[in-house]
Amino acid sequence: KQEVTQIPAALSVPEGENLVLNCSFTDSAIYNLQWFRQDPGKGLTSLLLIQSSQREQTSGRLNASLDKSSGRSTLYIAASQPGDSATYLCAVKSSSGYALNFGKGTSLLVTP
Amino acid sequence: GAVVSQHPSRVICKSGTSVKIECRSLDFQATTMFWYRQFPKKSLMLMATSNEGSKATYEQGVEKDKFLINHASLTLSTLTVTSAHPEDSSFYICSAHYGAGGDTGELFFGEGSRLTVL
Repeated sequence: KQEVTQIPAALSVPEGENLVLNCSFTDSAIYNLQWFRQDPGKGLTSLLLIQSSQREQTSGRLNASLDKSSGRSTLYIAASQPGDSATYLCAVKSSSGYALNFGKGTSLLVTP
Repeated sequence: GAVVSQHPSRVICKSGTSVKIECRSLDFQATTMFWYRQFPKKSLMLMATSNEGSKATYEQGVEKDKFLINHASLTLSTLTVTSAHPEDSSFYICSAHYGAGGDTGELFFGEGSRLTVL
């Protein structure tokens, strides 16, 4: 069974810092990996989708990388802002079916 | 990105009553939708896979008679929590599969529904 782990569980940084969120998964046979953002009491907003054949995706200040062979992905946030404060979830779509397996998330707080 | 709408966003009900939550894909057709449950500070737990025109596939440990799923059209799936009890109180989120690329398609999520059973 695919297991997804996110480190750290929580992170607090001052505004302007660059930061890296980590995600690891146990089964490298994946179709794709998605990073989501979740604000308190809200649903999930898709940030980046990386297909298994890709190594990275970029959107604005966000960059996600994928190393399928080692079972790792990172989400890089440049020049963090207080509005980036949220929980970031990593999810992997494995070879069986369409559903995603989620990590527990990293709770990010960016202080002014 | 594609939009998935979920309704209601919050619902409070008495123990023993049933509650229906709707999940709609607004600008695309979704043959497959998923229902997740999220406990505080826990990862999302997949409850069931909803396929248009056929019976839902439930994950192990999820009571199909308690959590009724109907996917009658390509844009609507419903989750009905029957005879709700306080332990059913949770955050329920639906997602819809978007994209013609088969398994490489992206999943979009609704805003979630907070159920509180008194």
